Amino acid sequence: DAMVIQNPRYQVTQFGKPVTLSCSQTLNHNVMYWYQQKSSQAPKLLFHYYDKDFNNEADTPDNFQSRRPNTSFCFLDIRSPGLGDTAMYLCATSGHRDPTFGQFFGPGTRLTVL
Amino acid sequence: SQQGEEDPQALSIQEGENATMNCSYKTSINNLQWYRQNSGRGLVHLILIRSNEREKHSGRLRVTLDTSKKSSSLLITASRAADTASYFCATVPYSGAGSYQLTFGKGTKLSVIP
Repeated sequence: DAMVIQNPRYQVTQFGKPVTLSCSQTLNHNVMYWYQQKSSQAPKLLFHYYDKDFNNEADTPDNFQSRRPNTSFCFLDIRSPGLGDTAMYLCATSGHRDPTFGQFFGPGTRLTVL
Repeated sequence: SQQGEEDPQALSIQEGENATMNCSYKTSINNLQWYRQNSGRGLVHLILIRSNEREKHSGRLRVTLDTSKKSSSLLITASRAADTASYFCATVPYSGAGSYQLTFGKGTKLSVIP
């Protein structure tokens, strides 16, 4: 089945220790998104790729970086995680940049920063 | 900034009853989408309603949109225990900057008691 896969599902890291979250997709979608969702809050868009074109949201901290080496994979790098970065990180894909077509979400990675 | 606000924040009903959730938003939209999120999981796209539509059905789901009041409602009929989840509305701005984004509300947490 075509799907969006996130690894790992759970990640615990220490304050300041870099961490990388992974997302892969078999849908061959050209748009990939990263969202941050804190407990009981709305998912918040961090950035998205349209093919190789990277689009950062204005209020995304510099601490958050992303890489997309090919169509299938996208990574979220947190260079120096703080306690406030504890959250669920959701990867999503879309076949169109126009969000009218809806987005397909992975199961998420729950990150805990100690 | 948050666009959608769901109401109520939490809803508990008996299996077989109908569940109604409301969403209000602030700016003109191109379309509005509803997503479901099971506990600790990613979001699943449920239904999309365009700004020129007033009502849409999909199985046991009924969505209405009132652009004059900037509000939408999601009705789940004959609820089942498996409908227990959080439900989010997400809006797409009408045009201009950010028109590629989905902006999510905080969600309504629905509990269906068997």
